[in-house]
Amino acid sequence: QLQLQESGSGLVKPSQTLSLTCAVSGGSISSGDYSWSWIRQPPGKGLEWIGYIYHSGSTYYNLSLKSRVTMSVDKSKNQFSLRLSSVTAADTAVYYCARVVIVVANRWFDPWGQGTLVTVSS
Amino acid sequence: SYELTQPPSVSVSPGQTARITCSGDALSKQYAYWYQQKSGQAPVLVIYKDSERPSGIPERFSGSSSGTTVTLTISGVQAEDEADYYCQSADSTGSYLVFGGGAKLTVL
Repeated sequence: QLQLQESGSGLVKPSQTLSLTCAVSGGSISSGDYSWSWIRQPPGKGLEWIGYIYHSGSTYYNLSLKSRVTMSVDKSKNQFSLRLSSVTAADTAVYYCARVVIVVANRWFDPWGQGTLVTVSS
Repeated sequence: SYELTQPPSVSVSPGQTARITCSGDALSKQYAYWYQQKSGQAPVLVIYKDSERPSGIPERFSGSSSGTTVTLTISGVQAEDEADYYCQSADSTGSYLVFGGGAKLTVL
């Protein structure tokens, strides 16, 4: 059974860069027909898709965050990462990683990691 | 841009049927997906491609689509179904993904 586990800095200062990693177990990150995504949820609010990355390294980012987001994949470690630059308090959220299932042009998230809270504060 | 609109809240009594809608122009061309998020937990997929149910999801969960609106139906609601429910879809290319604002289901 595929499992995903987020890790990284839980407290980031304003204007700095948020860095998170998602470790994938129970399957290979290089499997076809999947990509790997980050989603966030500010406290008490809804879900926001951040972007996804293929094992080839190709990426798609939410246009509202594109200028600050970088995703990468490390196939040797079976993990993928998120970097979000120039953070502000508005970036405080629970960050989830998830596998993106791809069937033709259709994409959905399954499964999800448990999420990790990142707080932006000085 | 593309948006998905959900009612903020839906309330039903145990045993009744809950219907949660999600509307948006993209839904006339793209499938919708539904996630259940219980308090303090990660979301879980409950419906994919408008009406397909993943293994392990109870049969009381079903989905339907009509034009630019999709509906998640929970028949015979149980107390354990109390959660936030999010719809998700994509833009016309299928590459850019979006969530609805979420609907809180309260079981009275």
